[in-house]
Amino acid sequence: DTEVTQTPKHLVMGMTNKKSLKCEQHMGHRAMYWYKQKAKKPPELMFVYSYEKLSINESVPSRFSPECPNSSLLNLHLHALQPEDSALYLCASSQDSLRQGVRETQYFGPGTRLLVL
Amino acid sequence: QKEVEQNSGPLSVPEGAIASLNCTYSDRGSQSFFWYRQYSGKSPELIMFIYSNGDKEDGRFTAQLNKASQYVSLLIRDSQPSDSATYLCAVRPSPRTDSWGKLQFGAGTQVVVTP
Repeated sequence: DTEVTQTPKHLVMGMTNKKSLKCEQHMGHRAMYWYKQKAKKPPELMFVYSYEKLSINESVPSRFSPECPNSSLLNLHLHALQPEDSALYLCASSQDSLRQGVRETQYFGPGTRLLVL
Repeated sequence: QKEVEQNSGPLSVPEGAIASLNCTYSDRGSQSFFWYRQYSGKSPELIMFIYSNGDKEDGRFTAQLNKASQYVSLLIRDSQPSDSATYLCAVRPSPRTDSWGKLQFGAGTQVVVTP
């Protein structure tokens, strides 16, 4: 079972709204990731939670705020987004980011398609 | 120089033929290499990973790794229209250069299989 679930599938929000994206995995993985993907571009890593430690891509603006309530859940809180933040937001998980074994593999959820008006 | 490079395509392949996708990477200490398939509007789906030099086969897919040349490839045999997608090459760099499991993605190669 390599399932990562994400909700909602689609989200439209205004620039003054606050919303949250949710991600869940039940594979016992200890690392979870948020990526942003624009059309015809590869995924860009935003955040990593590994063993309850957050690592941040420093280019990500503060209007994106991750939260990891437990090892199987990962949220992304959105506030005061800009139209250029419209993209596909992908959650992924992997077994153990710290050990970085050669077999460690990231599995992606279906994504949330976000449109900021 | 980009960390992971792929030809963007589109790579047009007749149905039943072999599609050959290439990927080069800059970090010689990279350990693991992944191929993801991404259909338009969908999320990336893992199809192969490889970490030892040589070939690895899984059904119609074969991944080939040459660490000395810093080159990884994906062959798709008996290509089907359902193989039409963008194929992303991803590389896990050396632990000495990254401590939080970052995958470096290539820009992706679009494959179009024509009936």
